[in-house]
Amino acid sequence: DAMVIQNPRYQVTQFGKPVTLSCSQTLNHNVMYWYQQKSSQAPKLLFHYYDKDFNNEADTPDNFQSRRPNTSFCFLDIRSPGLGDAAMYLCATSRGYEGGNEKLFFGSGTQLSVL
Amino acid sequence: SQELEQSPQSLIVQEGKNLTINCTSSKTLYGLYWYKQKYGEGLIFLMMLQKGGEEKSHEKITAKLDEKKQQSSLHITASQPSHAGIYLCGAEGSGNTPLVFGKGTRLSVIA
Repeated sequence: DAMVIQNPRYQVTQFGKPVTLSCSQTLNHNVMYWYQQKSSQAPKLLFHYYDKDFNNEADTPDNFQSRRPNTSFCFLDIRSPGLGDAAMYLCATSRGYEGGNEKLFFGSGTQLSVL
Repeated sequence: SQELEQSPQSLIVQEGKNLTINCTSSKTLYGLYWYKQKYGEGLIFLMMLQKGGEEKSHEKITAKLDEKKQQSSLHITASQPSHAGIYLCGAEGSGNTPLVFGKGTRLSVIA
């Protein structure tokens, strides 16, 4: 029944070694989001896709990239992870901007550790 | 940019007690969402409020939206250990922008 699936649940990478986190959805939603959440902090939006249109937040570092090859999948690439990138990465989906109904469905998250 | 402030940051209550969590926005609220997060997991949707004065309930959880005060409250009646977790409020800005979230309120329920 899982609707938004993130893999892996836990990811350990080395400082500077590229890493990719994945997210898939079975809801056929138009919008997919990536949030970064550090301990005791609010989830921070990194970017989102509305269909194939990519929307980057102004303060998202260039080190973070995203790909959405099709409706179901979205990837987060961290090109050169630093210690400060250790966090929980949350993928979410929504139907789209339909009169403000922006209920988000979240995956279980990927906890990234950088050694 | 819109900011959401939640209070208290953390809360420890005895099982069976009532509690209230508040969420205050720096800007006009166009939609207010409450989510619950268990430690190390994703966010689970609880409720959505869109109109001033709106109040919704699910089981023992009630949420209200005070549009004039740009504030929402989440009230839990007769708390249980299953209510423990982090409660986050999220809000839409104007122009159908993606949700921004507060830092959350960490709730512990002790026997």
